[in-house]
Amino acid sequence: QKEVEQNSGPLSVPEGAIASLNCTYSDRGSQSFFWYRQYSGKSPELIMFIYSNGDKEDGRFTAQLNKASQYVSLLIRDSQPSDSATYLCAVRRTGRRALTFGSGTRLQVQP
Amino acid sequence: GAGVSQSPSNKVTEKGKDVELRCDPISGHTALYWYRQSLGQGLEFLIYFQGNSAPDKSGLPSDRFSAERTGGSVSTLTIQRTQQEDSAVYLCASSSGLGGTDTQYFGPGTRLTVL
Repeated sequence: QKEVEQNSGPLSVPEGAIASLNCTYSDRGSQSFFWYRQYSGKSPELIMFIYSNGDKEDGRFTAQLNKASQYVSLLIRDSQPSDSATYLCAVRRTGRRALTFGSGTRLQVQP
Repeated sequence: GAGVSQSPSNKVTEKGKDVELRCDPISGHTALYWYRQSLGQGLEFLIYFQGNSAPDKSGLPSDRFSAERTGGSVSTLTIQRTQQEDSAVYLCASSSGLGGTDTQYFGPGTRLTVL
């Protein structure tokens, strides 16, 4: 079992719809969770992080964390074609500084 | 302010040669990380520096890989006797090094191709 799992996609949504990206993790000692966006040929850029159970909103993005079920999700409201990218879920375990990344979900927003 | 910078942006080398990759972190960031991303693969952690020391080297794949950081700033990742499987994008990230939600910011990466 991979430490951080994501559906590779592609996830295709129409412009203006809500895109829902999911991530599960195996280590219950994980404490912080990050979402990065990576455009083709570019480096990852941070979207947001979450460390408490519940929802955290930032503009069109909402991160959701459920530690009991060991999953974290990212919702993108009013999806735009410019949101088309690979979304990487990353987890930091207690006592470690390094991030463990999932393999990413490719999102395609259709105009 | 300036972000993380890396050089060179692209490096093509022959199998068996040594290469050096450079990372210049965000000013004031004490923590520095090296990752690599192979074609179709996720990001793989290599090494973490806090200041000039490396408390976590667990991701280095073999003793051909080494890294150093001097003056609490610039870091160099060295790969000796390169192999074709070393071909990847090598990404550097830096962070303030404070707190559990300390966020890492990535540089543009160095694309290494070993022929």
